[in-house]
Amino acid sequence: LAKTTQPISMDSYEGQEVNITCSHNNIATNDYITWYQQFPSQGPRFIIQGYKTKVTNEVASLFIPADRKSSTLSLPRVSLSDTAVYYCLVGDTFTDSWGKLQFGAGTQVVVTP
Amino acid sequence: NAGVTQTPKFQVLKTGQSMTLQCAQDMNHNSMYWYRQDPGMGLRLIYYSASEGTTDKGEVPNGYNVSRLNKREFSLRLESAAPSQTSVYFCASSEGVGVQGAFFGQGTRLTVV
Repeated sequence: LAKTTQPISMDSYEGQEVNITCSHNNIATNDYITWYQQFPSQGPRFIIQGYKTKVTNEVASLFIPADRKSSTLSLPRVSLSDTAVYYCLVGDTFTDSWGKLQFGAGTQVVVTP
Repeated sequence: NAGVTQTPKFQVLKTGQSMTLQCAQDMNHNSMYWYRQDPGMGLRLIYYSASEGTTDKGEVPNGYNVSRLNKREFSLRLESAAPSQTSVYFCASSEGVGVQGAFFGQGTRLTVV
């Protein structure tokens, strides 16, 4: 199973770009990288998923280098409402091995005015 | 469209009491999951059900039982509650076995005294 390492916390000001890097040195060929966001007192919410290169949606961008040993979630122009915990998950999400994916402690992002 | 609905939202139990946490999804998803989240920690998988009629243990199944009542409903039962089971419980569902696009409920905050 690919273990992930991400910073415990990050602070930012409104309007700045926040980049959260997740290390996953033993990622397997069939593994995808998925990011979730969790606000206080709520369940996690799917943000973005990718396999390689760059993926962008209306919420974030995900950058994955060629060796796929790390990935970076980029949140453009954050606002106070982006204050949340962000989780990086790595695994083969299209087979029954999913049950072993682990959320870990995540990265607490705090955005201040 | 309610998504994933959990009941109750809050519950206080005495040690040794039993209770069932209910979860229902209206997205016609095949897979459903139960997680627990302790303060400052990520989510840990208790049980999951890849499809109607099947259930499998996750990372922390001891002290819990589950029932996949039908495609919509997946319940979690605590037969004899212990203080160590004080936690926030989340139910989730997804289209397939994978976590991609998994939708989470709002959680049940359980306190065992």
